[in-house]
Amino acid sequence: QSALTQPASVSGSPGQSITISCTGSSSNIGSFILISWYRQDPGKAPKLLLYEGAKRPSGVSTRFSGSQSGNTASLTISGIQADDEADYYCCSYGGDSTFVFGSGTRVSVI
Amino acid sequence: EEELVESGGGLEQPGGSLRLSCAASGFTLSDYAMSWVRQAPGKGLEWLSGDSGSGTRAYYADSVKGRFTISRDNSKNTLYLQLNSLGAEDTATYYCAKYFYGSGSYRDAFAVWGQGTVVTV
Repeated sequence: QSALTQPASVSGSPGQSITISCTGSSSNIGSFILISWYRQDPGKAPKLLLYEGAKRPSGVSTRFSGSQSGNTASLTISGIQADDEADYYCCSYGGDSTFVFGSGTRVSVI
Repeated sequence: EEELVESGGGLEQPGGSLRLSCAASGFTLSDYAMSWVRQAPGKGLEWLSGDSGSGTRAYYADSVKGRFTISRDNSKNTLYLQLNSLGAEDTATYYCAKYFYGSGSYRDAFAVWGQGTVVTV
C-alpha cells in the first residue's frame, strides 16, 4: 500500500486561494485512481469534502475544488476563511478493496 | 439521518484483546460495505480494514493483517472490529466509516463517519 505525500502545512491570508498537493505514484493517482479529500477539525471525525477527484457531496461549499494530473492530486480552497483552519487528508484506492490516506496537511489562515 | 456510533474502546494491557462495535442507523447496513480507520494521537488517518455488504469478504492493511478481524451482524445493523495481540502502536481513536457508493471499489470514498472510540494500550 503506497504512501501519499502531502505538505505538512499550508497557510494563506483571508480571501486568498490555497492549494494542497497529494503526491502518489503510478500505482494510484498515476493510474487514474480518483482521490477523495477530507477535512478534520480538532477532536472531531473527518468529513468528506470531495470524491472522485472533484465531486462535492451535498452541502460542501463550491469554494472547495479538486484536480489531478500525473501522480499528483490537488485540493484548492478559494477565498479562504478563518473557519477553514483544519487538517486536510487525501485518500486513494490502494487496490484489492484497500485504501491509503495521505500524511495530512494543516491549513492556517494568517 | 445516517449515523454511526462506535463503542468498545478502553484501556487494555499489551497482548490483550478488545472488540469494537459500530452501530449503524438511518440506512440498511447490508446494502453497504464498511471500513475501519484509526488515528494515533497527533498522527494522521490510517485505513485498517473493509468488508462487503454481506460480510463475506474482508480486507486489511498490512499493519493489522492477522491481528484484527472485521465482521458484522446485519440483523443488528452493527459492524465489529476484533483487535488481538494489542501493542502500544495500536493506541488510537478508531472510526468506522460508510462508503459513499457502498461497494468499497476504486471510485468509493468515506461518506459517513462515527465519532470514534479511543483505545489505549
